[in-house]
Amino acid sequence: QVTLKESGPVLVKPTETLTLTCTVSGFSLSNARMGVSWIRQPPGKALEWLAHIFSNDEKSYSTSLKSRLTISKDTSKSQVVLTMTNMDPVDTATYYCARISFRGYDWFFDYWGQGTLVTVSS
Amino acid sequence: AIRMTQSPSSFSASTGDRVTITCRASQGISSYLAWYQQKPGKAPKLLIYAASTLQSGVPSRFSGSGSGTDFTLTISCLQSEDFATYYCQQYYSYPPTFGPGTKVDIK
Repeated sequence: QVTLKESGPVLVKPTETLTLTCTVSGFSLSNARMGVSWIRQPPGKALEWLAHIFSNDEKSYSTSLKSRLTISKDTSKSQVVLTMTNMDPVDTATYYCARISFRGYDWFFDYWGQGTLVTVSS
Repeated sequence: AIRMTQSPSSFSASTGDRVTITCRASQGISSYLAWYQQKPGKAPKLLIYAASTLQSGVPSRFSGSGSGTDFTLTISCLQSEDFATYYCQQYYSYPPTFGPGTKVDIK
């Protein structure tokens, strides 16, 4: 059974750094045909992809947030970590981690964590 | 980045209705499109990828079509559990981008 679970602070202050952890089970972060993404959703708004990491440690970041994001993984702990610096109230959102799976040239987010709401406020 | 738009943004429908949601990409994306369903307070759920391939376990009343820039998601016979918000997402190029969503609620 594939599961992903996000953990991290529910409240951060402006200018602080957010660190979120995604703990996965039911698959390995060393699987060549899989990866993990972080995606966020401000209250009442649409989904926004932030970053991903694959088994070979290939990483990609949102163009607009690239300077603030770092994604990493610890395969032995089955964890993917996202850090976002210089948090602002506009970063208030539910943050999801999601598994990426491949079928040929197609890839998609087939399993998602439950999400964690992060509020940025002083 | 490729911009995704959806229409309508929301609408009301009745159980048993056939409903169609449209998604348009700002440039051609071949068939590199997925559809997700999201219910309030829940994570999105993958319905369709490759524009028309049904994810395992998804009911056959859901179908997708299209290629290039124009795509549709059809629910052939709306069930009570289908009232939700639907998002399209392109994975033709980075960054992957989502549409703004279409909310389907009860008439």
